[in-house]
Amino acid sequence: SYELTQPPSVSVSPGQTASITCSGNKLGDKYACWYQQKPGQSPVLVIYQDSRRPSGIPERFSGSNSGNTATLTISGTQAMDEADYYCQAWDSSTEVFGGGTKLTVL
Amino acid sequence: QVQLVQSGAEVKKPGASVKVSCKASGYTFTKYYMHWVRQAPGQGLEWMGIINPSGGTTSYAQKFQGRVTMTRDTSTSTVYMELSSLRSEDTAVYYCARDVSRRHELGYCTSISCPNWFDPWGQGTLVTVSS
Repeated sequence: SYELTQPPSVSVSPGQTASITCSGNKLGDKYACWYQQKPGQSPVLVIYQDSRRPSGIPERFSGSNSGNTATLTISGTQAMDEADYYCQAWDSSTEVFGGGTKLTVL
Repeated sequence: QVQLVQSGAEVKKPGASVKVSCKASGYTFTKYYMHWVRQAPGQGLEWMGIINPSGGTTSYAQKFQGRVTMTRDTSTSTVYMELSSLRSEDTAVYYCARDVSRRHELGYCTSISCPNWFDPWGQGTLVTVSS
């Protein structure tokens, strides 16, 4: 079965750029999405179709996908961005999520 | 606005079944597929399956085949997820999430990729399985 691998944790200083990776076999041939989940809340879509940003999501969130890796980039990271982030893609009629990355802003 | 409202928390004994509902509003119910995703305490997201509210067709993750049933009621714009033979490992928050795509179109999703995404998500329903 298809697997997506994310680093368990990423730390970033306020105002700096955070990058969260998601790795999978030929992931660049698929479409990747990213979800943000804060404690006690439901996931929220932040990036879809690799790099598109839903309305209401700040411009500091961006995405890319090539080769075997999709990347979520948060520029000028703010304290409010501290959360868990999950990547998601489709393979063989199955939706697959990465294991999640805890972003700490310190 | 688009909204998904789920039923309340449940406590079940091992071996029992649970049925969680998800009521949709703010859009045409039959035009968008619906997913179910669960999250065990402190763990990540796990996809369970998808239902087409228009025809009622379903597709389940292999892990849940034989134990999960997804249904819908178009008169109330509600989808349901029933999980049977519950065990302690099924303790989790269960979410419904709308699929945004044109997957009803032939060839839109291939075996390799599908340009879809989940938006929005319901508020989640905690199901606790304990003797």
